[in-house]
Amino acid sequence: GAGVSQSPRYKVAKRGQDVALRCDPISGHVSLFWYQQALGQGPEFLTYFQNEAQLDKSGLPSDRFFAERPEGSVSTLKIQRTQQEDSAVYLCASSLFLGEKLFFGSGTQLSVL
Amino acid sequence: KNEVEQSPQNLTAQEGEFITINCSYSVGISALHWLQQHPGGGIVSLFMLSSGKKKHGRLIATINIQEKHSSLHITASHPRDSAVYICAVGVNDMRFGAGTRLTVKP
Repeated sequence: GAGVSQSPRYKVAKRGQDVALRCDPISGHVSLFWYQQALGQGPEFLTYFQNEAQLDKSGLPSDRFFAERPEGSVSTLKIQRTQQEDSAVYLCASSLFLGEKLFFGSGTQLSVL
Repeated sequence: KNEVEQSPQNLTAQEGEFITINCSYSVGISALHWLQQHPGGGIVSLFMLSSGKKKHGRLIATINIQEKHSSLHITASHPRDSAVYICAVGVNDMRFGAGTRLTVKP
């Protein structure tokens, strides 16, 4: 596609539910990043993939957060047993290679009630 | 203390004014990014720089590696420049500033 696509755009979950957020990077982009942005704050790094390899997951806040990119293109961020503090915008970005210009998706706004 | 500090937090300007947004960081970096975020969340990468100065249209970004400081300048500001401007440092595990909310009034 022309840009990074994220779905759903909005997600409302009840506390304790599992959610899955999808990111379609720009075709051919090797590097893929997930960020979490709380209201009024700058984004915070969650995890980084190079192709299908998850090279850095140091930003994942707990073991309830899991990300995968099994075929080196589409990535899914899964949050198990969601809690209210998980409410945020989850941003995906991709770049051709590490260190190149980043292209961001529009984000998924997650609200946990 | 946040590793990336931006100032000011909020900035209101009249159309046509020259605008400067500052970013200071405390970690060693190989690259610094300036990003623009419009209401609704969409983020656009404006600049990525590791030294010196870059210019694109009315936007100019500078970085001083020794002083760990970068500035984003907007010349002849326009209401469509109203957005949140975010400074970020790093490559794979990027650290972001909290952003500067710019409002340009006609």
